[in-house]
Amino acid sequence: SQTIHQWPATLVQPVGSPLSLECTVEGTSNPNLYWYRQAAGRGLQLLFYSVGIGQISSEVPQNLSASRPQDRQFILSSKKLLLSDSGFYLCAWRGLAEGETQYFGPGTRLLVL
Amino acid sequence: SQQGEEDPQALSIQEGENATMNCSYKTSINNLQWYRQNSGRGLVHLILIRSNEREKHSGRLRVTLDTSKKSSSLLITASRAADTASYFCATGNSGNTPLVFGKGTRLSVIA
Repeated sequence: SQTIHQWPATLVQPVGSPLSLECTVEGTSNPNLYWYRQAAGRGLQLLFYSVGIGQISSEVPQNLSASRPQDRQFILSSKKLLLSDSGFYLCAWRGLAEGETQYFGPGTRLLVL
Repeated sequence: SQQGEEDPQALSIQEGENATMNCSYKTSINNLQWYRQNSGRGLVHLILIRSNEREKHSGRLRVTLDTSKKSSSLLITASRAADTASYFCATGNSGNTPLVFGKGTRLSVIA
């Protein structure tokens, strides 16, 4: 069966510090991968998605970036965090064999102070 | 930008009552999906309905889709306290286009 992991679960970072959030998927090959951000009590904002290694589509211009160094690994990064980067970050995957459903990880709560 | 818009934003009901949430969208779609999110957790897929379907059932869930009105509804029958969560609709198209999520409805079921 497929599983998706995200870490860390919670992160408190000072303004101006770098960021690296990691997402890995097990049990599937060549999945589509997604990064979303959710502000408190709000909906999901799509940040990046990837349909293959090294292929990244950016949905929102900002100080975040994403990379996919391996088939089942998706990394969200920032060189200098802003207060507005605080939020709940969700990674999701979708596989061809699984149809149109997206499967979400447990999320990372980021607080920038 | 978000395509789906859920209504109401928040809903509070007594245990045993039915809960109805609505979703409207703007452009043509291939499918519409409903997800549930418990506080502080990831989203969990509930049900998918395709554009050529009008109604679908799964346990206590009933979803309808009206493509002429670009709207969908999610009905949870005989609600339980454990149904307390946020519910999101998401619209999808063919190919690799990502799902577009609405802002969600926060459902509180009071025991």
